[in-house]
Amino acid sequence: DIQMTQSPSSVSAPVGDRVTITCRASQGISNWLAWYQQKPGKAPKLLIYSASSLQSGVPSRFSGSGSGTDFTLTISSLQPEDFATYYCQQGNSFPRTFGQGTKVEIK
Amino acid sequence: QVQLVQSGAEVRKPGASVKVSCQASGYSFTNSAIHWVRQAPGQSLEFLGWINVGNGDTKYSQRFQGRVVITRDTSAGTAYMDLSSLTPEDTAVYYCTRDWTYTAYDVWGQGTMVTVSS
Repeated sequence: DIQMTQSPSSVSAPVGDRVTITCRASQGISNWLAWYQQKPGKAPKLLIYSASSLQSGVPSRFSGSGSGTDFTLTISSLQPEDFATYYCQQGNSFPRTFGQGTKVEIK
Repeated sequence: QVQLVQSGAEVRKPGASVKVSCQASGYSFTNSAIHWVRQAPGQSLEFLGWINVGNGDTKYSQRFQGRVVITRDTSAGTAYMDLSSLTPEDTAVYYCTRDWTYTAYDVWGQGTMVTVSS
């Protein structure tokens, strides 16, 4: 199975800050990487697919980049509604696997 | 609108089975694939398996092979996930989700809490 490792596990930042989360795959996955946002008690929400494609309806302050084994999710200007946990997920092979999550908290 | 609506919370004793349903609406159910993912309390997400709704083909994570069965009823627009030989470690929220671009998940059910306790 492909292991997905996210860093940091948590980040504290004020509204308006730029936040970057990284995700590393244990082997190359081309650009088959997705990012999700999850709020407490809710299902995950797709933000980015194919490493850098913004899902319809997702604000443009979210962006993704990377290929191979190293990927990043960037929030260009953190908004109050962005405080949540973020997960990466590889779609290159089965079983699909997720990172352990990065919790973005208010500073 | 496109949505997946799951059945309600379940409580089971160790060794029992549970069957969770997932009703789709707002899109062509037979032209889709439904995956099942679970999340234990405070943990990340874990893939269990998926079904090609059109032809009924299934594929399961080796970790759950032999314990999970995914089926669908196209006339009812519903997919099902059956998990057997439950242990307390199976306590989790179970989600159905629609495959997107064969690599990600764009629509999620609201989740079904399954609690396994004696």
